[in-house]
Amino acid sequence: DVKVTQSSRYLVKRTGEKVFLECVQDMDHENMFWYRQDPGLGLRLIYFSYDVKMKEKGDIPEGYSVSREKKERFSLILESASTNQTSMYLCASSLPPGQGRQPQHFGDGTRLSIL
Amino acid sequence: GQNIDQPTEMTATEGAIVQINCTYQTSGFNGLFWYQQHAGEAPTFLSYNVLDGLEEKGRFSSFLSRSKGYSYLLLKELQMKDSASYLCAVRDRYGGATNKLIFGTGTLLAVQP
Repeated sequence: DVKVTQSSRYLVKRTGEKVFLECVQDMDHENMFWYRQDPGLGLRLIYFSYDVKMKEKGDIPEGYSVSREKKERFSLILESASTNQTSMYLCASSLPPGQGRQPQHFGDGTRLSIL
Repeated sequence: GQNIDQPTEMTATEGAIVQINCTYQTSGFNGLFWYQQHAGEAPTFLSYNVLDGLEEKGRFSSFLSRSKGYSYLLLKELQMKDSASYLCAVRDRYGGATNKLIFGTGTLLAVQP
């Protein structure tokens, strides 16, 4: 089974802090994704990566950056946390689409509160 | 533009059948996924359709009509544990090497005794 592990289930930080959310997958997947999930808005893509050191902006990248130095690890960085970044953050990984159905596999999520 | 629509909430009775609809408008199409998400948990993969027709997997089935931009998830013999959000997601054909998905906002299904 694919295992996607997010470093924290719950996190509380203060406005202006630099926040790091870590995600590790154990299936040698090329693709990794960061989403945030808010009531009524569904899953919105922040950033994704299709290979080591490669990254692309998703639909809502403002206020975030990412790092992918190793294939198994994809980090989301809040440069200067703000209260409107309070949300559930979900990491996912998958193989490229050319190799079949290849669903995205999700971690358990990090519920981040910015005070 | 790209848009995925599904009902916000549905209620059904234990043992019954429920159909959750999803309509989509995307610039390209390379498959449609259904996920289940229990409250406070990660979404888990349920089904995948890329060709027109019905895919059956136990109590769950998923249907796709590409010409109509329409899919549904059919849940039979409902159980209380089926109470969850069901997410429809479309993979864009123009994603290239990436497996980028566009998600709907989800349908919250409540199964009542």
